[in-house]
Amino acid sequence: SQQGEEDPQALSIQEGENATMNCSYKTSINNLQWYRQNSGRGLVHLILIRSNEREKHSGRLRVTLDTSKKSSSLLITASRAADTASYFCATGGNSGGSNYKLTFGKGTLLTVNP
Amino acid sequence: GAVVSQHPSRVICKSGTSVKIECRSLDFQATTMFWYRQFPKQSLMLMATSNEGSKATYEQGVEKDKFLINHASLTLSTLTVTSAHPEDSSFYICSASGLATFYNEQFFGPGTRLTVL
Repeated sequence: SQQGEEDPQALSIQEGENATMNCSYKTSINNLQWYRQNSGRGLVHLILIRSNEREKHSGRLRVTLDTSKKSSSLLITASRAADTASYFCATGGNSGGSNYKLTFGKGTLLTVNP
Repeated sequence: GAVVSQHPSRVICKSGTSVKIECRSLDFQATTMFWYRQFPKQSLMLMATSNEGSKATYEQGVEKDKFLINHASLTLSTLTVTSAHPEDSSFYICSASGLATFYNEQFFGPGTRLTVL
């Protein structure tokens, strides 16, 4: 199966609730990144967590990384209708530099109902 | 900072014609640009990686003669879909990365919707 697989594939919640999305991967990584994509648009970088980090926060976003389980989670707290989008995790290998390739998961489609 | 643009945003063409898509980094020098394609409700699939001034590296299964990539300057890369067919209809997204950007971070363009009739 593909590196960087998210679950659930689709998530529908009410405004104000928290949304949790998970990502699993197979090979060793240097870091893991989360992106958001609104329908028919490009990707917006949300957060990057390095392999030696366990948790990271950015505003209403909280990302965790468990390298022993090869998994990560993205938590969006106090969700808003504007958070409706597809969320992708992306992983890369151990090489650095600007030539660094990302492998994207299949994504979670989050719908926040007003 | 770190803005990447794509042009055009949408293009409709007839089968057999060639289409060029531009990807520009507006406020930083992109030593590397990546081209992805995305089918509806699916993930991004990396097509090729291009470094300024050298030939692009294509992913397995991507025809380099079909998808011509040129990265002639540190701010511009182009993808030309040659002899386009309906199955080439997709959303094409570029991203850019550079030595001055955050380690391993790629900045994505807004995408180009290609429809081949």
